[in-house]
Amino acid sequence: QKEVEQNSGPLSVPEGAIASLNCTYSDRGSQSFFWYRQYSGKSPELIMFIYSNGDKEDGRFTAQLNKASQYVSLLIRDSQPSDSATYLCAVNTQVTFGNEKLTFGTGTRLTIIP
Amino acid sequence: DGGITQSPKYLFRKEGQNVTLSCEQNLNHDAMYWYRQDPGQGLRLIYYSQIVNDFQKGDIAEGYSVSREKKESFPLTVTSAQKNPTAFYLCASSIIRFDSNQPQHFGDGTRLSIL
Repeated sequence: QKEVEQNSGPLSVPEGAIASLNCTYSDRGSQSFFWYRQYSGKSPELIMFIYSNGDKEDGRFTAQLNKASQYVSLLIRDSQPSDSATYLCAVNTQVTFGNEKLTFGTGTRLTIIP
Repeated sequence: DGGITQSPKYLFRKEGQNVTLSCEQNLNHDAMYWYRQDPGQGLRLIYYSQIVNDFQKGDIAEGYSVSREKKESFPLTVTSAQKNPTAFYLCASSIIRFDSNQPQHFGDGTRLSIL
């Protein structure tokens, strides 16, 4: 079973600080990595995606990927109370050539403390 | 506005009853997906389809059925064989590109409960 693991939290971060969310995955063949934000009772919303090793920045969000260590992270700078949500990590899993699906982690619940 | 529409938002099922959840997208996306989410859990894939008239089982397909007669539509039927159907059901869609795995975008979901 190909797995994606996240610390379930809750992770509490003071307002204005950096929140760091981590995810590890077991399938070395994975090529695409996604972070989704899910507010309580709502559907997931795409935040970031990353395909290459290194950092990718979008506003206050930075995704970091290290394929050798099978590790992907999401940094949220200047955390705001509106960032309080569950963050889901998703990794592509190749079933057959050209036929891929996503495997989701169970999510990390983030709380920003005013 | 382009998007993914799921209906109904809430659905109640009686014992022995089949129910169908609707998912429609006007994004011209090739692939569509159905997930189930239980409280405090991640998303588990039920079925997915990359092309009209073709679909594949996901990790938890037992007790569910789907059809893909049109590119825009991917309805999910929860059959009476699914003994624990209470969950949040999410439909997603994505473009297919063979050089990279494209993000999936989600509808607002349907909450299914047992009466």
